[in-house]
Amino acid sequence: DQQVKQNSPSLSVQEGRISILNCDYTNSMFDYFLWYKKYPAEGPTFLISISSIKDKNEDGRFTVFLNKSAKHLSLHIVPSQPGDSAVYFCAASAFKRASGSRLTFGEGTQLTVNP
Amino acid sequence: DSGVTQTPKHLITATGQRVTLRCSPRSGDLSVYWYQQSLDQGLQFLIQYYNGEERAKGNILERFSAQQFPDLHSELNLSSLELGDSALYFCASSFQLGQGAVDTQYFGPGTRLTVL
Repeated sequence: DQQVKQNSPSLSVQEGRISILNCDYTNSMFDYFLWYKKYPAEGPTFLISISSIKDKNEDGRFTVFLNKSAKHLSLHIVPSQPGDSAVYFCAASAFKRASGSRLTFGEGTQLTVNP
Repeated sequence: DSGVTQTPKHLITATGQRVTLRCSPRSGDLSVYWYQQSLDQGLQFLIQYYNGEERAKGNILERFSAQQFPDLHSELNLSSLELGDSALYFCASSFQLGQGAVDTQYFGPGTRLTVL
C-alpha cells in the first residue's frame, strides 16, 4: 500500500524556468509533509516542510503548496538552477505523541535542470 | 553537512554474516530513526528510538535489531545476512518526540551494505 506517491519518475526543465514536482497521499492522518533532495551516494537533505494547518510555505526559491482536500502537495522551484538536479523525495508523517513521527516516503522524482 | 554521522560508509560481507552499523545523531537530538533504501523499493522506515527507548517499529526483519545508548548514538545490527539485505541504510535524527509538536528529521550520509 503506497501511501505517498510521486507519479513522475523524472522531470526535465530549462535553467531559469520553474520546476514543479508533485506528490499525492492517501492517508488522511498525515499532518506534516517534507521535501528532501538527494544526490547519489549521499543522504537525503531536508529542503522544506509544511504543516497540515497551512496551505503554503515559502523558503527562498522553494515553495511548497498543500491541498488537503485533494491530498496533494507540490514543490515549486523558481528559478531552477543546474545545481538543483537531484532526486526529490516527498515524505509525510502522522504524528503520534507516544511514538514520534516516522516518515513515509514517495518513490522520488529525478529532476534534471539543463543549462 | 546534516550533523548526523554514520559509519562505516561501505560494508561488504558474505551471506550468513552479522554486521553492525553505527549512527551518531546531531548534537541535542534525542530521536534516532533507521531507514533502508534498496534498489527495488524506496526509503523504508525500520525503527525509531527516543532517548534510549524503542518508540516505533516499521518493516524491520526479526534478523535485524537496534539499540540507542546513553550517549544517544545508535547501532543497527543485521544478522544472518541474505543477498536481499544489500541496500543503503540511513540514520536520521530529530530533536523532540512529544507535546504535539512536529519535527524535521535530518539524515546521515548512509552506509552501503553489499552482501555477496
